Amino acid sequence: NAGVTQTPKFQVLKTGQSMTLQCAQDMNHNSMYWYRQDPGMGLRLIYYSASEGTTDKGEVPNGYNVSRLNKREFSLRLESAAPSQTSVYFCASTWEGLRLGGYTFGSGTRLTVV
Amino acid sequence: GESVGLHLPTLSVQEGDNSIINCAYSNSASDYFIWYKQESGKGPQFIIDIRSNMDKRQGQRVTVLLNKTVKHLSLQIAATQPGDSAVYFCAENRPVLNNAGNMLTFGGGTRLMVKP
Repeated sequence: NAGVTQTPKFQVLKTGQSMTLQCAQDMNHNSMYWYRQDPGMGLRLIYYSASEGTTDKGEVPNGYNVSRLNKREFSLRLESAAPSQTSVYFCASTWEGLRLGGYTFGSGTRLTVV
Repeated sequence: GESVGLHLPTLSVQEGDNSIINCAYSNSASDYFIWYKQESGKGPQFIIDIRSNMDKRQGQRVTVLLNKTVKHLSLQIAATQPGDSAVYFCAENRPVLNNAGNMLTFGGGTRLMVKP
């Protein structure tokens, strides 16, 4: 089925370890986004990529890096994980300029840093 | 276990009643608004949207009302069902002056609990 696919679904890291969260969409969307969701809070934007070849910081970029590998894939990297990065991470995509229907979200990656 | 919305405002309704979920947005320049539904362990799912040139939009069992004067958005669910139990988020689209063109900003969410 068409949509946004995130891997892994669950991950436990030790403080200081690194990892990359993968995201791929097959809807030919131009724009892709990484959000984090913490208890009692809405989604906060970490990084986004308006189109292939561009990336920009969102609201909470510190401690993260991203790569827009191609039009389909947008990865999020934690170079040195910290307990404060324990969260649920969502990838989303949309047509450039946010056409009707908003974003399509993946099912999330639940990350725990111990 | 549930890790989303542990301290969210909660609306508890009886099955069959109507539900009204409210949201205040912050930016008067926002031109597009969306309601999302998020069930436990899943990503947000689009429910209904409305553009700023409209006051009301109806879908199947859902209605969104927009009051630009007080920057208020509401989601009405008719004949609420147990399957409507979820966390509901409003999102506003803010035009931004960069190559992104647009940016969605999400509210904190409201948990809807439907009692059978």
